[in-house]
Amino acid sequence: LAKTTQPISMDSYEGQEVNITCSHNNIATNDYITWYQQFPSQGPRFIIQGYKTKVTNEVASLFIPADRKSSTLSLPRVSLSDTAVYYCLVGDPPPRTGTASKLTFGTGTRLQVTL
Amino acid sequence: DTGVSQNPRHKITKRGQNVTFRCDPISEHNRLYWYRQTLGQGPEFLTYFQNEAQLEKSRLLSDRFSAERPKGSFSTLEIQRTEQGDSAMYLCASSPTPGQGVKTNTGELFFGEGSRLTVL
Repeated sequence: LAKTTQPISMDSYEGQEVNITCSHNNIATNDYITWYQQFPSQGPRFIIQGYKTKVTNEVASLFIPADRKSSTLSLPRVSLSDTAVYYCLVGDPPPRTGTASKLTFGTGTRLQVTL
Repeated sequence: DTGVSQNPRHKITKRGQNVTFRCDPISEHNRLYWYRQTLGQGPEFLTYFQNEAQLEKSRLLSDRFSAERPKGSFSTLEIQRTEQGDSAMYLCASSPTPGQGVKTNTGELFFGEGSRLTVL
């Protein structure tokens, strides 16, 4: 299983760009990198997924270097409502392989945004 | 709202009692997952269904835990003889199967808001 390492917590001011890096040194060839966001007392919500280089959607960007041993979630101009826990997951996503047990969440990064 | 629905949202019970949680997935999704989340930790996988077939079970799913999805639609998670260590948020998620009429497959799991269990 590809183990991931993320910072336990990060602080930011509203309006700043936030970059959360995830290390996954033993990522496998078939593995994708997926990020989820979780607010208190709610289930996680999918943010973005990528395999290599850069992926961008309306919420975030995901940067993946050529060796794929790390990835960076970039949140542009965060607001107070972005205060949440962010999880980096590495694996072959369940909807592709059905191997749900191999996709683990870890402890995530707690992002606190203040004025 | 056509998202994943979980009931009850909160359950307080005494040790030794049985509890049952229900999950109604997004209607067109034939894959359903159960996770458990304790305070300060990420969700931990418990079990996974494709239609009515239970395809994977975690070692976390002790003999006191049983999950069913009898008609391939809603699912129930029952915990028998609850212990204080069972106190957690129980999360359900669903996803479509590749080729199930979805245009793109991002690998996204759609989670419900969870059922919080407190065992006294």
